[in-house]
Amino acid sequence: EIVLTQSPGTLSLSPGERATLSCRASQSVSSSYLAWYQQKPGQAPRLLIYGASSRATGIPDRFSGSGSGTDFTLTISRLEPEDFAVYYCQQYGSSPSVTFGGGSKVEIK
Amino acid sequence: QVQLQQWGAGLLKPSETLSLTCAVYGGSFSDYFWSWIRQPPGKGLEWIGEITHSGNTNYNPSLKSRVTMSLDTSKNQFSLKLSSVTAADTALYYCARYLPSSNFYYGMDVWGQGTTVTVSS
Repeated sequence: EIVLTQSPGTLSLSPGERATLSCRASQSVSSSYLAWYQQKPGQAPRLLIYGASSRATGIPDRFSGSGSGTDFTLTISRLEPEDFAVYYCQQYGSSPSVTFGGGSKVEIK
Repeated sequence: QVQLQQWGAGLLKPSETLSLTCAVYGGSFSDYFWSWIRQPPGKGLEWIGEITHSGNTNYNPSLKSRVTMSLDTSKNQFSLKLSSVTAADTALYYCARYLPSSNFYYGMDVWGQGTTVTVSS
């Protein structure tokens, strides 16, 4: 089973700052099979990034994804008030077919 | 605009069977694969399993012995059953879709609103 470890657990930043979130896999993951989601309180997760670096429909370009192998990164270039949320990485393909990271919370400093 | 609307019993006793249904409105049913994901209170996301548009299933090994997924193409619906529930199955349950591809994963782009299931005696 591929385990995804996200860090930091919580990131305290101010609006306008840059957020860098990490997702490390216990085994190599094809970048084609790595996605990122945003979840706000009381809402379902929202797809942000697929294929490690492709933005989903309607996602602002301040969100970007990168990485390969076992190390992946989600970057929010300038935090907007609506970006304070929990972020999850997800891999697809290795048994079990889907695993999620434990999440990283971006909170207002 | 595609919407997933889900429903099912929200309060169960230990040993009962959880049963949830997710209906697809406004989009193709046959082009997608359909998943169930759950989230215990205050915790992260756990994938339960998936069902393809042709009815093939793939379950999380940790839940496989208790999970059954099915679909009703005539109604554009798919369902989840989880048997012998315990308090550990208390969670917010989501349905979601993704577009299958042989060499790429496009992510779960549409999610249901979530159904809270509580297991308590």
